[in-house]
Amino acid sequence: QVQLVQSGAEVKKPGASVKVSCKASGYTFTGYYIHWVRQAPGQGLEWMGWINPKSGGINYGQKFHGRVTMTWDTSISTAYMELNRLRSNDTAVYYCARDTGDMATDYWGQGTLVTVSS
Amino acid sequence: QTVVTQEPSLTVSPGGTVTLTCASNTGAVTSGSYPNWFQQKPGQTPRALIYSTSKKHSWTPARFSGSLLGGKAALTLSGVQPEDEAEYYCLLYYRGAWVFGGGTKLTVL
Repeated sequence: QVQLVQSGAEVKKPGASVKVSCKASGYTFTGYYIHWVRQAPGQGLEWMGWINPKSGGINYGQKFHGRVTMTWDTSISTAYMELNRLRSNDTAVYYCARDTGDMATDYWGQGTLVTVSS
Repeated sequence: QTVVTQEPSLTVSPGGTVTLTCASNTGAVTSGSYPNWFQQKPGQTPRALIYSTSKKHSWTPARFSGSLLGGKAALTLSGVQPEDEAEYYCLLYYRGAWVFGGGTKLTVL
């Protein structure tokens, strides 16, 4: 069955970087885009960008340009999202989600809580 | 910057019908924005319900339906169940980017 399993919770200081992983199983990793979405405590969902592991395409949300880097390793079917120059308002649960190829997502990771605090 | 607006909260009685809407500050929402709808319960991961305006995932209950209504995307719940109490988010596609609405808290009372 399709699964996206994310790395564990992180606590970071302001100005630091965090790298969250998303390991895919149960399907061909290169066959589907992966989106990254975050949710601050008590707030709504915010789209961060997507990757296309097959073509190498990447699309970052305008808000995150210059601060986020999305990569992947096809040999281990894992996507990564690295966010730099962390601020307290980056405290959020970060999710990865598989794109169906039909302008939709279906499977989501369990989420990774990133806490930014001095 | 594209802003997507949803009703902050709605209340519906069990067995009733309710429609949630999703508007864009760029103009009428069309099928070209590929509206998606998600349900999120407290402490849980978002669950995809509707995509491309009205298409359902295999797990989407029949009582959920999507449409375009008066220039907005709409999610209608017919025969609401107590377990439908949740936050609902719409998602629109614009020029290569996805934008979520702020969410609607649906109370079943």
